[in-house]
Amino acid sequence: GAVVSQHPSRVICKSGTSVKIECRSLDFQATTMFWYRQFPKQSLMLMATSNEGSKATYEQGVEKDKFLINHASLTLSTLTVTSAHPEDSSFYICSATQHGGRGKETQYFGPGTRLLVL
Amino acid sequence: QKEVEQNSGPLSVPEGAIASLNCTYSDRGSQSFFWYRQYSGKSPELIMFIYSNGDKEDGRFTAQLNKASQYVSLLIRDSQPSDSATYLCAVDPSGGANNLFFGTGTRLTVIP
Repeated sequence: GAVVSQHPSRVICKSGTSVKIECRSLDFQATTMFWYRQFPKQSLMLMATSNEGSKATYEQGVEKDKFLINHASLTLSTLTVTSAHPEDSSFYICSATQHGGRGKETQYFGPGTRLLVL
Repeated sequence: QKEVEQNSGPLSVPEGAIASLNCTYSDRGSQSFFWYRQYSGKSPELIMFIYSNGDKEDGRFTAQLNKASQYVSLLIRDSQPSDSATYLCAVDPSGGANNLFFGTGTRLTVIP
């Protein structure tokens, strides 16, 4: 259980284009999903928290108009990198929390999407 | 500011030995603690979570939590080359998993 998928796994695009990344919880409903970015040899950086049916909450320094997040259902969140530039090249990882017993939650990660902007 | 600190390593241990990974956190009220493993080029994979003081064992892995000293550790017994990865410690002050603060990770190398 607790499988999170991402699509695509890898994308190469030209500067100025937009890229959409999908994140799905396959076997559970995820009220909350998260989007992280990871540059080489660095730790995860939280970009935004996405709640189903409401606007995403962005971390300080993350441009909400550039990184559009839509959490339309309990199993799907999308991240769209608009007008991508080479500095947006990174490893984008989504995650979702699953409720465990006694109100405990655990955050599970998708396999990640490697974005390369030329 | 909530901080989670780990020794970046690299930590090298011979195959079959015990690898000990440590993590300290600054928010004394933190309730939930997680260890993730991340292979190079891959996303983090949950290994264990722990909420209560003491030890929690799962196969070759043991998580140890000491809230009074504000540290959580991960022991890997009978280390295998396949355990070579970066281990991320994550802490949630609120007690769930919706507000994780990650350490920078410790890179472990198990030498055959």
